[in-house]
Amino acid sequence: DAGVIQSPRHEVTEMGQEVTLRCKPISGHDYLFWYRQTMMRGLELLIYFNNNVPIDDSGMPEDRFSAKMPNASFSTLKIQPSEPRDSAVYFCASSLEGWDTQYFGPGTRLTVL
Amino acid sequence: KQEVTQIPAALSVPEGENLVLNCSFTDSAIYNLQWFRQDPGKGLTSLLLIQSSQREQTSGRLNASLDKSSGRSTLYIAASQPGDSATYLCAVYTSGTYKYIFGTGTRLKVLA
Repeated sequence: DAGVIQSPRHEVTEMGQEVTLRCKPISGHDYLFWYRQTMMRGLELLIYFNNNVPIDDSGMPEDRFSAKMPNASFSTLKIQPSEPRDSAVYFCASSLEGWDTQYFGPGTRLTVL
Repeated sequence: KQEVTQIPAALSVPEGENLVLNCSFTDSAIYNLQWFRQDPGKGLTSLLLIQSSQREQTSGRLNASLDKSSGRSTLYIAASQPGDSATYLCAVYTSGTYKYIFGTGTRLKVLA
């Protein structure tokens, strides 16, 4: 398996623009997680899905953030409108069970100017 | 609310030294604990997962121990090598919250 795939790897955008991050989990994994990593706050869970259904979105910072999982092999995290404070590395991870070993993608480094 | 702390934030050691990384958590009602490695510009790689009923878990030169009652875990790295240089994070799965809470990591540098 190719592991968790994320795109794009780097994104530079201007404040106010819409940003869409993409993730393909490992085939057969029922859980998908979106994390954000910054120097100030470390690694934070934004939202996770089980069998394509959002289970816990309490980490989503505000309404500008939204996530979808239309099928078992694809998820998106959208920020609209983006702000400079959204600059961070966004990771997608997947696992067989919620408490199981998590497999992380390479991340998307987002810079909002 | 579960809080996970890793001290020290950074550590530099000469090659060949045995070393211990520490992880502390405030809520002992955990399901399991994972240790991860993160290389610069890369994602996290799970190294060891230790269940709450276990006292330790080993993989090669790595040994993780867990003392749930005192809220502590250690990652022991034997005979360190320059290739071990990375940031090491621990993450705790707390019963009832159904998610992992991550520590801020220890940045390790092994000098050749």
